[in-house]
Amino acid sequence: DAKTTQPPSMDCAEGRAANLPCNHSTISGNEYVYWYRQIHSQGPQYIIHGLKNNETNEMASLIITEDRKSSTLILPHATLRDTAVYYCIVRSGLNTDKLIFGTGTRLQVFP
Amino acid sequence: GAVVSQHPSRVICKSGTSVKIECRSLDFQATTMFWYRQFPKQSLMLMATSNEGSKATYEQGVEKDKFLINHASLTLSTLTVTSAHPEDSSFYICSATVGAGYYNEQFFGPGTRLTVL
Repeated sequence: DAKTTQPPSMDCAEGRAANLPCNHSTISGNEYVYWYRQIHSQGPQYIIHGLKNNETNEMASLIITEDRKSSTLILPHATLRDTAVYYCIVRSGLNTDKLIFGTGTRLQVFP
Repeated sequence: GAVVSQHPSRVICKSGTSVKIECRSLDFQATTMFWYRQFPKQSLMLMATSNEGSKATYEQGVEKDKFLINHASLTLSTLTVTSAHPEDSSFYICSATVGAGYYNEQFFGPGTRLTVL
């Protein structure tokens, strides 16, 4: 699996957009970018995934660069409940393929 | 969305005893389930991949005789920590994938906190 690089921590003011970057320069053509988050002492929660086009759902937007070597997860209006560790993971789209979690970004949303 | 439950949510046991953790997919059939372990302030570490009706595939460094995984039905997988020791104290999390094929995300259970005294 391709490895990802994320900043260890970020802060964001409540109500502002949180932009979480991820570098995945060794991603291969059939690999997707997945984002999960883990709120303290809970199981991870799926957020979004994409291959090469930008994606948006009710939780977030995912912007993938044209060369696919990096991406940004955008939480458009961060709330205190969005405080969590965010993981960017690269894997194939096959549902039996395992997720390998890196160290993630600890996002702290402050009032 | 798909719901995955785990039981118990937390367990405390004495050193040398065995502990069983259940992972259930409540509203879908899961052909593949995964087991993770997470130590404090660390990331999730995949322990094994479990397919219904077949033996689990363990990650390198995970003792299969110590962490017994059974996936006897499409909605239930169990992890048994045998002869538990204090170093096995951790947060154990399972996940399951919906359906077969591509593009399906993994849904995670709430986790089980194991404390071995």
